[in-house]
Amino acid sequence: GAVVSQHPSWVICKSGTSVKIECRSLDFQATTMFWYRQFPKQSLMLMATSNEGSKATYEQGVEKDKFLINHASLTLSTLTVTSAHPEDSSFYICSARPTAQETQYFGPGTRLLVL
Amino acid sequence: RKEVEQDPGPFNVPEGATVAFNCTYSNSASQSFFWYRQDCRKEPKLLMSVYSSGNEDGRFTAQLNRASQYISLLIRDSKLSDSATYLCVVNEGNYQLIWGAGTKLIIKP
Repeated sequence: GAVVSQHPSWVICKSGTSVKIECRSLDFQATTMFWYRQFPKQSLMLMATSNEGSKATYEQGVEKDKFLINHASLTLSTLTVTSAHPEDSSFYICSARPTAQETQYFGPGTRLLVL
Repeated sequence: RKEVEQDPGPFNVPEGATVAFNCTYSNSASQSFFWYRQDCRKEPKLLMSVYSSGNEDGRFTAQLNRASQYISLLIRDSKLSDSATYLCVVNEGNYQLIWGAGTKLIIKP
């Protein structure tokens, strides 16, 4: 149980395009989902916390207009990187927390390469 | 001062040895604690929760020391497959998780 999927797993795109990443909890409902970013050899950095049916809470330094988050249902959250640039190239990982639990379960991540 | 601190390593350990590493946290009101494991280029996976009484899962033992504000992870009879980065996670309440930067462990044959 507690499986989280992410799609796509790899994205290569041109600078200036927008990229949408989906995060789904497959066998549980997740009131809260989290979006992280990890650069090579660095720790996970929380970008934003996404609550179903409400606006996401962004961490300091994360541009909400650049990283659009939508959490329209209890099993799906999406992250859209708008007008992506090479410095946005990173490993984007989502996690989902089952309702009333502390544990977060992670998706397999999405590697984004912006050329 | 970082809220959750870990020695980044790497810890180079021969196969079969016992290895332990700690994680310190700054918020004394932190409520719960976890160890995650992250393999290279993969997502983190929950290894174990850390309870006040300590807990053991096979070769892995986790301990919490509230007085000194640290948690520890002990791995006995280490295997090559234990090579990974081990992430310490602290729940400061209201599901606010604070992540350590991780300790890299390399098990050598």
